[in-house]
Amino acid sequence: DGGITQSPKYLFRKEGQNVTLSCEQNLNHDAMYWYRQDPGQGLRLIYYSQIVNDFQKGDIAEGYSVSREKKESFPLTVTSAQKNPTAFYLCASSIEAREAFFGQGTRLTVV
Amino acid sequence: EDQVTQSPEALRLQEGESSSLNCSYTVSGLRGLFWYRQDPGKGPEFLFTLYSAGEEKEKERLKATLTKKESFLHITAPKPEDSATYLCADRGGSNYKLTFGKGTLLTVNP
Repeated sequence: DGGITQSPKYLFRKEGQNVTLSCEQNLNHDAMYWYRQDPGQGLRLIYYSQIVNDFQKGDIAEGYSVSREKKESFPLTVTSAQKNPTAFYLCASSIEAREAFFGQGTRLTVV
Repeated sequence: EDQVTQSPEALRLQEGESSSLNCSYTVSGLRGLFWYRQDPGKGPEFLFTLYSAGEEKEKERLKATLTKKESFLHITAPKPEDSATYLCADRGGSNYKLTFGKGTLLTVNP
């Protein structure tokens, strides 16, 4: 089945640690996105990539980093510089500027 | 700056009671207005794309419409299984950035 796979589903981070969230798609989509969702805030764009080896900052990129070495993969690293990382993280992909399809999310909690 | 505003924030309906959700957007050069459904703890599920004013799309009890600055999601004779958060998003300009509203939490009581 074609789709977007995010892993892990739940992730716990200690203070000062970097963690990496995985996002893989087999839809052959060029564009990929990372969003953060907090209660009452809606989805906010962290980073997006329109093509391999290229990515742009979204509205809340501080404390996050990404890479796009392969078309099917767009991992997100939450660094220790992100002061409030507890949230629901969503990865999505699209063909060019058409509708985006989402994975099932990773819930990150700081312990 | 592009802004997407959804109203109401929450809507409670009785089963069979039709209503509409609103999404207003400010982006110029709209390249798509998108509707999604999101269940608790899950990723958003794509529903509709609208590209130009006057366009309409339908799926079961849902119908989405688009004007120059607003989109509506009409829900006809809703059932409890239609309970979810409904999100809209727009895309404009030359990049692929999608801007989302905060969503409308719909609850349909039996």
